[in-house]
Amino acid sequence: EPEVTQTPSHQVTQMGQEVILRCVPISNHLYFYWYRQILGQKVEFLVSFYNNEISEKSEIFDDQFSVERPDGSNFTLKIRSTKLEDSAMYFCASRAGSNTGELFFGEGSRLTVL
Amino acid sequence: GNSVTQMEGPVTLSEEAFLTINCTYTATGYPSLFWYVQYPGEGLQLLLKATKADDKGSNKGFEATYRKETTSFHLEKGSVQVSDSAVYFCALRGGGADGLTFGKGTHLIIQP
Repeated sequence: EPEVTQTPSHQVTQMGQEVILRCVPISNHLYFYWYRQILGQKVEFLVSFYNNEISEKSEIFDDQFSVERPDGSNFTLKIRSTKLEDSAMYFCASRAGSNTGELFFGEGSRLTVL
Repeated sequence: GNSVTQMEGPVTLSEEAFLTINCTYTATGYPSLFWYVQYPGEGLQLLLKATKADDKGSNKGFEATYRKETTSFHLEKGSVQVSDSAVYFCALRGGGADGLTFGKGTHLIIQP
């Protein structure tokens, strides 16, 4: 069964460092998303991406964040200068073209900022 | 904006008990509604969905009915198992937004 894969599963970094989280969405999907879940809190929408550009972003997704689809398969989230409060589980998701289609989530990348 | 409110846990039940997890939402228009489940150490998996009023989503013995008049999408199961222990998230997509809006999640613990 096709699945969304994410790497790394866990990353520990120092405050101020750049981090890149990688995702390989399901191959025929067109819409891509990043969400985050701070420990014990709700899953929060960060950004959606379609047709090689951001289609929507939340207030959380400030100038420290960027997304890219550098080739036909990867979808990355970059945090330029990490802060302690960026520590969270980051989930990538993808969706096929149907407007009511479900999002398929990866298993998440846990980011710990020290 | 969109919002989802669900009962907070943990909810602890005995095996074979009846389960209800309440979920209500606020959105403009006609959102699609979802229940996702997160098993320990895993990502989010779609459990069921409903895309229009009065639709009933069902999967693995779980059911939820899209009630527009009460803006609710309560999750039910007639007889829970230990393997149902997980965190359950109610979510919606619509109201002009592309991304999903999640509730805070309900931690369900089933004891043998």
